[in-house]
Amino acid sequence: AQSVTQLGSHVSVSEGALVLLRCNYSSSVPPYLFWYVQYPNQGLQLLLKYTSAATLVKGINGFEAEFKKSETSFHLTKPSAHMSDAAEYFCAVTGYSGGGADGLTFGKGTHLIIQP
Amino acid sequence: EAGVTQFPSHSVIEKGQTVTLRCDPISGHDNLYWYRRVMGKEIKFLLHFVKESKQDESGMPNNRFLAERTGGTYSTLKVQPAELEDSGVYFCASSQGRGAYSPLHFGNGTRLTVT
Repeated sequence: AQSVTQLGSHVSVSEGALVLLRCNYSSSVPPYLFWYVQYPNQGLQLLLKYTSAATLVKGINGFEAEFKKSETSFHLTKPSAHMSDAAEYFCAVTGYSGGGADGLTFGKGTHLIIQP
Repeated sequence: EAGVTQFPSHSVIEKGQTVTLRCDPISGHDNLYWYRRVMGKEIKFLLHFVKESKQDESGMPNNRFLAERTGGTYSTLKVQPAELEDSGVYFCASSQGRGAYSPLHFGNGTRLTVT
């Protein structure tokens, strides 16, 4: 079984400031981890994913995340926030390894608010 | 390529009525998933088709929900009869393969409101 906890339903940062969105996971099998972003009235778009290769994963739009097994974390960061980053961000996990169920387990989401 | 298309984008129905949601996956994608987000809660997995077969329907809430994927192309999700707690956003996603190496492509969702 898997679960995801995203700390903070809303995070507010100033334009140009560091973005840090927190995600902790629980998984009984080696996890595959994802960050998705949802802009208003749109579907979810994959930002980046961890698939047991490099622990530091780079994604689109300047975002990156680091897998830390000892902390069971997969926090999302971006060095400098842009107004266009305002959206809702979801962390997700799956334990799929080639057999059985592969549905994603999502966190509750974090709204990122960018202050001008 | 065209993305995942969901219809309708919004639906408002009364308790006890029936609603059918439709999802057109990306052409050639064998895997089709339904997810739901109830207000203020997580996005939850409902079920997964591989072509026309249900691979996993462990997330379906109850027998008022019926999903089909005839011919392995588009899928429908019927709620009959609808209850107030069925309100939420229903997302469809498709992928060519399975697992973490085959990215999911999500539709824009159908916002269902049951009054």
